[in-house]
Amino acid sequence: DIQMTQSPASLSASPEEIVTITCQASQDIGNWLAWYQQKPGKSPQLLIYSTTSLADGIPSRFSGSRSGTQYSLKISRLQIEDTGIYYCLQRYSNPWTFGGGTKLELK
Amino acid sequence: EVQLVESGGGLVQPGRSLRLSCLASGFTFSNYGMNWIRQAPGKGLEWVASISSSSSYIYYADTVKGRFTISRDNAKNTLYLQMTSLRSEDTALYYCARDPMFDYWGQGVMVTVSS
Repeated sequence: DIQMTQSPASLSASPEEIVTITCQASQDIGNWLAWYQQKPGKSPQLLIYSTTSLADGIPSRFSGSRSGTQYSLKISRLQIEDTGIYYCLQRYSNPWTFGGGTKLELK
Repeated sequence: EVQLVESGGGLVQPGRSLRLSCLASGFTFSNYGMNWIRQAPGKGLEWVASISSSSSYIYYADTVKGRFTISRDNAKNTLYLQMTSLRSEDTALYYCARDPMFDYWGQGVMVTVSS
């Protein structure tokens, strides 16, 4: 099974700051990587798919990138509503596997 | 508007069975693969099962293989998850989500396995 190691587990940042969350895949997954945001008490929402493609209705402050088997989600100009838990997901090889999550808090 | 509405959850004793449903609307259900994903209380997301649009391809996580069965009725726009031999570790909020890349999720339905 492909392991997705996500870091950091949690972070705290101020509005307007830039943060980056990373996922390290245990093997090559190409661009079969997505990012989700889960706000407290809500269902996850797709942010980024195919490593870099922005999902419908998602602000351009969110962006995805890749370096080898390391994948990153960058959030620019943090807003209060960005609070939540972020997960990566690999859809390259079954079983599909999520990262452990990153809890983002705004100061 | 795409909507996915899960139902069928509840409290069940270990070893018993339960069937979850996910009613889809706002898109052509028969054109999309579908998935079940679960989240134990206070934990992360775990993919459970997937089914292709015509039910030709079905996949399960090892943790549920042999106990859970995913199915669909395209005429009723409904996805199912039949869960048998339930264990305490199956306690979770169960979501249905649409392919590709889980772009739409339901609100989730809670399953609690406890004596």
